[in-house]
Amino acid sequence: GAVVSQHPSRVICKSGTSVKIECRSLDFQATTMFWYRQFPKQSLMLMATSNEGSKATYEQGVEKDKFLINHASLTLSTLTVTSAHPEDSSFYICSATFLKLAYNEQFFGPGTRLTVL
Amino acid sequence: ELKVEQNPLFLSMQEGKNYTIYCNYSTTSDRLYWYRQDPGKSLESLFVLLSNGAVKQEGRLMASLDTKARLSTLHITAAVHDLSATYFCAVRLGGGADGLTFGKGTHLIIQP
Repeated sequence: GAVVSQHPSRVICKSGTSVKIECRSLDFQATTMFWYRQFPKQSLMLMATSNEGSKATYEQGVEKDKFLINHASLTLSTLTVTSAHPEDSSFYICSATFLKLAYNEQFFGPGTRLTVL
Repeated sequence: ELKVEQNPLFLSMQEGKNYTIYCNYSTTSDRLYWYRQDPGKSLESLFVLLSNGAVKQEGRLMASLDTKARLSTLHITAAVHDLSATYFCAVRLGGGADGLTFGKGTHLIIQP
């Protein structure tokens, strides 16, 4: 299957700082990338859908000014958590797909664990 | 709003036993996925189910889909310890590259 990477894998930051998480599709051009959040022992919740070259579409209840998403190229999307607070601590997972892919299958990255102190 | 319900949420079973995880969803969908997640790791794709009556099998796992009942099952045959993980079903609404709505997951522990 296709490979999606995330960087960093783990980040610890102080409250009030901003953190950028990168999601890259390594061996295909992703027309769409998704960002999910997973709290401990809970399910994944879709945060936003990101299409290359256009503004991200955010799910209801997700603050677009707090979670900035940029999809500058077909292989890179970034999620910036601005003015992070302890309640933003979570496991952030991206996935990528492209329209011609069978079943519109999504390939998931390894995740980024964010801890805000 | 699409809702996806899994049950049970927690399952402890012994090796060699069979069991089934259920996944119900609330509105029509054109894709149903099963994923496995190990602690601290991301998701591993297990199955994609596309049509009514679809059945797929890989090793000791078998998934089926009944679109009329909006129900999918993941059946585990003769469980082994290595299958211990959290299993999620996820549903796509359709019409383009939509994000997935996940069930809460079934935390499966298989004891030797």
